Amino acid sequence: NAGVTQTPKFQVLKTGQSMTLQCAQDMNHEYMSWYRQDPGMGLRLIHYSVGAGITDQGEVPNGYNVSRSTTEDFPLRLLSAAPSQTSVYFCASSLLADSDTQYFGPGTRLTVL
Amino acid sequence: AQSVTQLDSQVPVFEEAPVELRCNYSSSVSVYLFWYVQYPNQGLQLLLKYLSGSTLVKGINGFEAEFNKSQTSFHLRKPSVHISDTAEYFCAVSDRVNNNDMRFGAGTRLTVKP
Repeated sequence: NAGVTQTPKFQVLKTGQSMTLQCAQDMNHEYMSWYRQDPGMGLRLIHYSVGAGITDQGEVPNGYNVSRSTTEDFPLRLLSAAPSQTSVYFCASSLLADSDTQYFGPGTRLTVL
Repeated sequence: AQSVTQLDSQVPVFEEAPVELRCNYSSSVSVYLFWYVQYPNQGLQLLLKYLSGSTLVKGINGFEAEFNKSQTSFHLRKPSVHISDTAEYFCAVSDRVNNNDMRFGAGTRLTVKP
């Protein structure tokens, strides 16, 4: 199993550009989530999904969109990037949302100029 | 919503010394508690979790944590650390009602010196 994979590893954007961060898992997990990690703030939940076709907002959803058309994939879209979105983004998955261990991807380091 | 406070942003210790990383949480309902570790340039890995039952939880790499409901704490301990334990450690909490929403602390950077 590859586990949770994320692409790209690094990305530099200009303000106003759009892009999609990719996340895939091959463990048949129902629950997937996106976090951003900023210095001194730990991880903050952006969006999550409890299964294909179902998504919901986390703690910091503004400026981000998600969709879940398959169990395996959970892309995160930035429609109009802002410098405040400079961060490291982690995707995670777990078999269930309820008390289960989350498996994290290696992260995407995004810089918005 | 629930929240987590990690009381120390950095903890330097010498190799083979004991260490305690402190975590306090706030929630109006019963919670699940987790400790994750992040090695440089990697994602997070689960160290241990408390769901129910015994308040002393043992995890991987010789770490353990104790759930103290009255003090709303979940401190992480290891009796003897190694250089390889140098990493960032995150405490996290999810409530048993809306467990889709996990909240993380700001992290504690553990540095083990030879």
